[in-house]
Amino acid sequence: KAGVTQTPRYLIKTRGQQVTLSCSPISGHRSVSWYQQTPGQGLQFLFEYFSETQRNKGNFPGRFSGRQFSNSRSEMNVSTLELGDSALYLCASRDTTATNEKLFFGSGTQLSVL
Amino acid sequence: AQKVTQAQTEISVVEKEDVTLDCVYETRDTTYYLFWYKQPPSGELVFLIRRNSFDEQNEISGRYSWNFQKSTSSFNFTITASQVVDSAVYFCARRDNNDMRFGAGTRLTVKP
Repeated sequence: KAGVTQTPRYLIKTRGQQVTLSCSPISGHRSVSWYQQTPGQGLQFLFEYFSETQRNKGNFPGRFSGRQFSNSRSEMNVSTLELGDSALYLCASRDTTATNEKLFFGSGTQLSVL
Repeated sequence: AQKVTQAQTEISVVEKEDVTLDCVYETRDTTYYLFWYKQPPSGELVFLIRRNSFDEQNEISGRYSWNFQKSTSSFNFTITASQVVDSAVYFCARRDNNDMRFGAGTRLTVKP
């Protein structure tokens, strides 16, 4: 099986712009969650989607949003980018039929906001 | 916010030494899951272990072992006879009904 695929791998944007990141989960995994990783704040949970519905949301402003499609692929959008949004954005998928709650992570999208 | 605390920011050991990474978690839920993930220099997080809140048995997997103590809300991770390939950032995490929360990570450097 292919792993979790995130595109693009690197992205450079300027303040005020908006960005959309994409995540394709492992085939059969219906849960997709997003995380922001920065040197200062560590790994922070953004939100989780299951069957096209947001299940949980972390403590991030409304500029951060996401969605999930019927094929379980997910996108994350950040509007009105700020310098502090520069981070590695990680996507993870999970097989909700399994009992181990194991997350499979992608390699991430490195976003730089200038 | 219900935190996950990894008090050790960085640890450096010499190969073959044993090392323990500490993790203390908070949660209001009675059902929750605890995890350890490894992030090698390549960047991709790799699952190591998951425990649920009802299973306090310690676990050993090769050179890795985990000590879960509900009474102290701790879930510590020990690497026995460390190797250079163990060098990575290790994250402890807790999943409950509200969210998935990670600790700040412990950077482990194993020197030859």
